[in-house]
Amino acid sequence: GAVVSQHPSWVICKSGTSVKIECRSLDFQATTMFWYRQFPKQSLMLMATSNEGSKATYEQGVEKDKFLINHASLTLSTLTVTSAHPEDSSFYICSARDQNSYFQETQYFGPGTRLLVL
Amino acid sequence: QKEVEQDPGPLSVPEGAIVSLNCTYSNSAFQYFMWYRQYSRKGPELLMYTYSSGNKEDGRFTAQVDKSSKYISLFIRDSQPSDSATYLCAMSISNFGNEKLTFGTGTRLTIIP
Repeated sequence: GAVVSQHPSWVICKSGTSVKIECRSLDFQATTMFWYRQFPKQSLMLMATSNEGSKATYEQGVEKDKFLINHASLTLSTLTVTSAHPEDSSFYICSARDQNSYFQETQYFGPGTRLLVL
Repeated sequence: QKEVEQDPGPLSVPEGAIVSLNCTYSNSAFQYFMWYRQYSRKGPELLMYTYSSGNKEDGRFTAQVDKSSKYISLFIRDSQPSDSATYLCAMSISNFGNEKLTFGTGTRLTIIP
């Protein structure tokens, strides 16, 4: 089946540092990837939609200068949390859509990255 | 008011019981409905995908949609300890791949052996 990986699986950093999270589709190509954030006991919230070769589309209230997204290839998207602060501590999950299918059911999720900012 | 409401639980039931998980929604534009299962510290995996009112069955899982009441359900028959996970409902206005999914908060389910 389709596999999406994320790296790292968890990261602890000091306040003010930047953290990069990678999302890879391992056995399919993805023109579109999505980045979500999940706080404890809350739902997955879409942060941005990442399209290969173009700028990401951010959801209302998400600071694009703080959460930098790059989708440089059909198998890799990165999310960089710049100048991270404790309130950015969360579970970040990406998903990728198989480019050979136009429909949502072929959107596959990664295992998530847990970020803790001290 | 949240667009999608889901009882966060936790819900504990004995092995073999029938489990009922529910979501309500307020946006009548939602036409496509999904149930995801999420194990601890893992990403969600798609369980069921429906777009019409009525029931859809897949093995021990049945998804039910009532658009008139804006209510969806997931039933799990003959529940197993391996079903212990968080179950998330999600919905969208269209089924196009770039369409945004709106999730419920998830219900944490534990099946007791």
